[in-house]
Order: sequence, then structure tokens, then C-alpha cells
Amino acid sequence: ETGVTQSPTHLIKTRGQQVTLRCSSQSGHNTVSWYQQALGQGPQFIFQYYREEENGRGNFPPRFSGLQFPNYSSELNVNALELDDSALYLCASAPWDEEETQYFGPGTRLLVL
Amino acid sequence: SQQGEEDPQALSIQEGENATMNCSYKTSINNLQWYRQNSGRGLVHLILIRSNEREKHSGRLRVTLDTSKKSSSLLITASRAADTASYFCAPTGGFKTIFGAGTRLFVKA
Repeated sequence: ETGVTQSPTHLIKTRGQQVTLRCSSQSGHNTVSWYQQALGQGPQFIFQYYREEENGRGNFPPRFSGLQFPNYSSELNVNALELDDSALYLCASAPWDEEETQYFGPGTRLLVL
Repeated sequence: SQQGEEDPQALSIQEGENATMNCSYKTSINNLQWYRQNSGRGLVHLILIRSNEREKHSGRLRVTLDTSKKSSSLLITASRAADTASYFCAPTGGFKTIFGAGTRLFVKA
């Protein structure tokens, strides 16, 4: 167990809708990263937050946005869902002094119909 | 950003055999990590090797790092059916890590 949880575990949405995915990091972990993993692919970096500020972003459009809260929880929001957004979404947290060792949650599987 | 590229893409072996996976990267790093992912689950950190280390062991895992060739290998000895998973390398060092497609290992009982 990594101590990182995600909710919900599974989610079904329709094209055009909006979705919010949640992650709860270990206490003391100031850095959280979000990844999108399509079937058969490696995790693709979406963005990283450090102390509630975005600290780097991958090649994802602005309709992917995030928030990080002082209580070590975070959110990934996706607007105007597209069919290609169907994937496993993973969050990973790290304490600042071990920022390069990430602790992953179990993921949320999103299906867009 | 820095991406690790794993090789082979897929590997099928018998239980008890050794499995070797390779990783290549392109720029200087501080360390390199290996992760495992069971089907449809989160990634689990296996081992971290620093740029000034050449070899590291953890149980049945042996990792090597050759910074001159910008490559690493992960050896799993005496494999078990429970080792069936995807394995990813993650070169890191002050930049955002981009995961490759991984190596899919299948261990037949």
C-alpha cells in the first residue's frame, strides 16, 4: 500500500460532459502529479502541483485542469469530454525531499461514451 | 522532459527463469527508477539507482546503470507467475519524467 487513494474507482460519462477525479496523498507529500494511461500504453504526464501551484505541464489541452489543497488532496478536472479521454487516470505523490520517488494511487478508470 | 524507452516490448518466460529488461534514455540524469504495474492498477516503485552507482540489488531484483551508454537493465531472477506485469523505467533529474510504453512480462507457470 502506498497510502495514496483515488476516487471514484470507475466512472462512465458521455461526450461533452465534465468530470472531477480526486486523489488523497500521504500526509507530508507536497508534490502531486497526474497521469493519463490509455490501454496498452505507458502513463502520460498531464501536470504536477507543488504546494497548490502548477509546477509543470505535459502536452494536454487547457480543458484538463487541476487543483491541490492544503490537506494533501487534489483534483483533476476535465471539461468537454471526448471519446479519446477514456483511460486510466493515475495520481502520484511525493515528499519534497524525495520528489523523484513517486507513490501512485490505484487509479480511476474513465469511460467516455 | 526525459523519456525512458524500454526493450523488449514484451517478454514471455517460464517460471524459474530469469527475465531481463532494458531501458535507454537520452540526457544526463540524477537517478533512474523502475516501477511495476499489475494489470489496470497503479504503479509500484521497485528500486532506485543513483547516477554514481553501477549496480544495485533488492531481493530477486538486480539493476545496473551505465551512464556512458545512457542505459539501464532490470534483472528478475527465479521468476514467479506473480511477476507477470508491465515494467517501466523512469530516468529522473530535475525534470518531468515521461514514462515509455514499458515491457510486458508474462511468466508462465
